[in-house]
Order: sequence, then C-alpha cells, then structure tokens
Amino acid sequence: AQSVTQPDIHITVSEGASLELRCNYSYGATPYLFWYVQSPGQGLQLLLKYFSGDTLVQGIKGFEAEFKRSQSSFNLRKPSVHWSDAAEYFCAVGALRKLIFGTGTRLQVFP
Amino acid sequence: KAGVTQTPRYLIKTRGQQVTLSCSPISGHRSVSWYQQTPGQGLQFLFEYFSETQRNKGNFPGRFSGRQFSNSRSEMNVSTLELGDSALYLCASAGQGSNEQFFGPGTRLTVL
Repeated sequence: AQSVTQPDIHITVSEGASLELRCNYSYGATPYLFWYVQSPGQGLQLLLKYFSGDTLVQGIKGFEAEFKRSQSSFNLRKPSVHWSDAAEYFCAVGALRKLIFGTGTRLQVFP
Repeated sequence: KAGVTQTPRYLIKTRGQQVTLSCSPISGHRSVSWYQQTPGQGLQFLFEYFSETQRNKGNFPGRFSGRQFSNSRSEMNVSTLELGDSALYLCASAGQGSNEQFFGPGTRLTVL
C-alpha cells in the first residue's frame, strides 16, 4: 500500500541555520512526490514537485528536495531558514489521482 | 489567474444537521478533489471529480457525498453530522492530465 512517513513531528531551528525535513515513501511505481507548506488556518501551498528527470528539484522560497530512489526518500532542504518559514510541512505522494500525505512536520524558528 | 476558492470559510453546526461546502476551481481546471484534515487523522482524501463524474473515492462513510457541476464547481455534503466531522475541509483542483493539485484555503467546520 502507498504511504508516506515523516519521522519528525516537530523541529526547531535558529534563524539562519540550515534545514532538512525528512520524508520516506512507499509506492510500487515511479512516484510523483510533492512538498506542501501550511501556515496556521491556511490551505496548502505547493513548494516543489518531482515527477521524473533530475533528482534534485528546486522550489519556491529557496527550498529544494532530492529524490533518492534507493532510499525511498524525498527530503526537503533549505540552506538558511527565515522566521517566516515557520509553518507545517507535508510530504505527499500522488497515486491514482489522489494525494497521500505524511503526518506533517511542524517547523519552529527561533530568532 | 484566480486561485481555488472555498465557501464558507467557517461553519458551525450541531450534531445531526447536514452541511454543504462549495469549491470553485482554478479557471480551466476540470478535476476537483476534497480532503479532510483533522489533528488525529491528518490529511485524508475524500473524493475526486472530473467532468461531473466521481473518479475516485476515499474510505469515508456514505454520509459524505459530493457532486460537480458543468462549470467544474464542486460541492460536498455531509449528512447527520457527528462531533468527529469537525475538521478543515480542503478542496484542490488540477488541470487535465496534471498531477499537480492546487489547494483552496479550506472550510473550517465545527460540529457542536
């Protein structure tokens, strides 16, 4: 069965520090992978997506993610975090015209 | 291009009532999906409509239903509301043949 695991429920970083949010997926075929961000009381905004090709994908707001098939991972990274990045981040796999989401990682940023 | 819009943004109902939520997709998008977000269960897929036909359905009871109109606008209905139906209901639209879904701001439903 398809599934997504985000092992970190809550991460705290200092502003300016680097960030890596982990995501592991289970899917039989080549996956469509996504990272979304959600601010409190808001909907989901797409940060980046992987469909095929280059395994390092660039997204909005300075985020990037790397697809590693051998590790079934799609980790999200940012070299320098800004206070405005504080939000909840969801990894998702696209399967049969629906998205299967991980449980999310809440990012807290200290000044 | 305007984004996905959802109305109302907030709703308070009591147990046993029914509720209808509305979603207008991005212009030109014909696929509309609905998701339920709760603290306990996270984000769960409800159903997906394309050209007025339900193409995919999640694992929810029959009290949850939806429909899509010829202009691609979609509604979802929940009958006989239960306390556990309190959630943020998110609508997303996608272009034809695209796997990229764009989400609306959601409708926050509170069942008392």
